[in-house]
Amino acid sequence: EDQVTQSPEALRLQEGESSSLNCSYTVSGLRGLFWYRQDPGKGPEFLFTLYSAGEEKEKERLKATLTKKESFLHITAPKPEDSATYLCAVRTGANSKLTFGKGITLSVRP
Amino acid sequence: DGGITQSPKYLFRKEGQNVTLSCEQNLNHDAMYWYRQDPGQGLRLIYYSQIVNDFQKGDIAEGYSVSREKKESFPLTVTSAQKNPTAFYLCASTPAPCGTPDTYEQYFGPGTRLTVT
Repeated sequence: EDQVTQSPEALRLQEGESSSLNCSYTVSGLRGLFWYRQDPGKGPEFLFTLYSAGEEKEKERLKATLTKKESFLHITAPKPEDSATYLCAVRTGANSKLTFGKGITLSVRP
Repeated sequence: DGGITQSPKYLFRKEGQNVTLSCEQNLNHDAMYWYRQDPGQGLRLIYYSQIVNDFQKGDIAEGYSVSREKKESFPLTVTSAQKNPTAFYLCASTPAPCGTPDTYEQYFGPGTRLTVT
């Protein structure tokens, strides 16, 4: 059974204090790892897809990386508007089903 | 504007009543999904459909039913058999079930918060 574990559950940062969010996975044959951002009471917003170990993608202050066992979402010099829950998901089968982690709630204080 | 719409945003029902949640997309996506989100639980897949007139159970299908009569629409019915129906329900879609890797990115609607008392 595919498993996705995100850590820590919650993270509080000061504005400008860089950090990383972790997503570790145990799957049989990774076909894609996805990062989403979710604001309270809203649907998740797609951020990145990573397909192979060593791959990196960037968007503004966010950078996602992938190894054979885990993915990191690095946040550089975060701002209060980066406060949200960040979800990680994996795809392993031939279809498009995703298995999600429980998410990491990030709070950035001004 | 293209996107996924879910209605209503908030829904209240009495215990024992069936309720149907709407999901419509104008993105011309083939596959559609229903998830349930509870505090501290992450997203759990209820049902998914990769093509019109076909759908499969997800991880927590008991007490739910769906239909896919049109490509644009994938309504979810929460039946009285669902023991804990109060939750945030999310609908999503992807462009194609068997395309290039980029087509597997799921795009989500705004969600419906269902409260059953």
